[in-house]
Amino acid sequence: DAKTTQPPSMDCAEGRAANLPCNHSTISGNEYVYWYRQIHSQGPQYIIHGLKNNETNEMASLIITEDRKSSTLILPHATLRDTAVYYCIVSLLWGKSTFGDGTTLTVKP
Amino acid sequence: GAVVSQHPSWVICKSGTSVKIECRSLDFQATTMFWYRQFPKQSLMLMATSNEGSKATYEQGVEKDKFLINHASLTLSTLTVTSAHPEDSSFYICSASSDSFDGYTFGSGTRLTVV
Repeated sequence: DAKTTQPPSMDCAEGRAANLPCNHSTISGNEYVYWYRQIHSQGPQYIIHGLKNNETNEMASLIITEDRKSSTLILPHATLRDTAVYYCIVSLLWGKSTFGDGTTLTVKP
Repeated sequence: GAVVSQHPSWVICKSGTSVKIECRSLDFQATTMFWYRQFPKQSLMLMATSNEGSKATYEQGVEKDKFLINHASLTLSTLTVTSAHPEDSSFYICSASSDSFDGYTFGSGTRLTVV
């Protein structure tokens, strides 16, 4: 699996957009970008995934650069409940996922 | 949506005993299940991949005789920690994938404490 690099921590004001970056410069052509988040002492929660096009769902948007070497997860209106560790993972569809250290997002009132 | 039920959510056992953790896909057939371990303040570490009806594939450094994985049906995988020791105390999490959706669904995790 390709390695990913994420900032260890970020802060965001409640109600503002949270933009979480991820670098995956060694991604291969058939690998997807997945985002999960983990709230303390719970199992990770799937957020969104994409191959090369930008994606949006009810939780977030995923912006993937044209060269696919980096991506950004956007939470459009962060709430206190979005405080969690966010993991960016690159893997084959239905392939095994290797978790990095993730980004601890703290949403502040 | 796809739901994975993991049981128990927490367990305390004595050193030397064995503990079984169950992971069930409630509303879909899980062709592949993964088992992870997570120590405090660390990321998830993949332990093994299990496919229904076949032997699990273990990651390097994971003892297959200590962490027994059984995936006998498309809706159930079990992880048995044999002869548990205090250093096995950790948060164990399963996840499942299916041909019917592109992501993974994770269980809620099992916190194992060996005393």
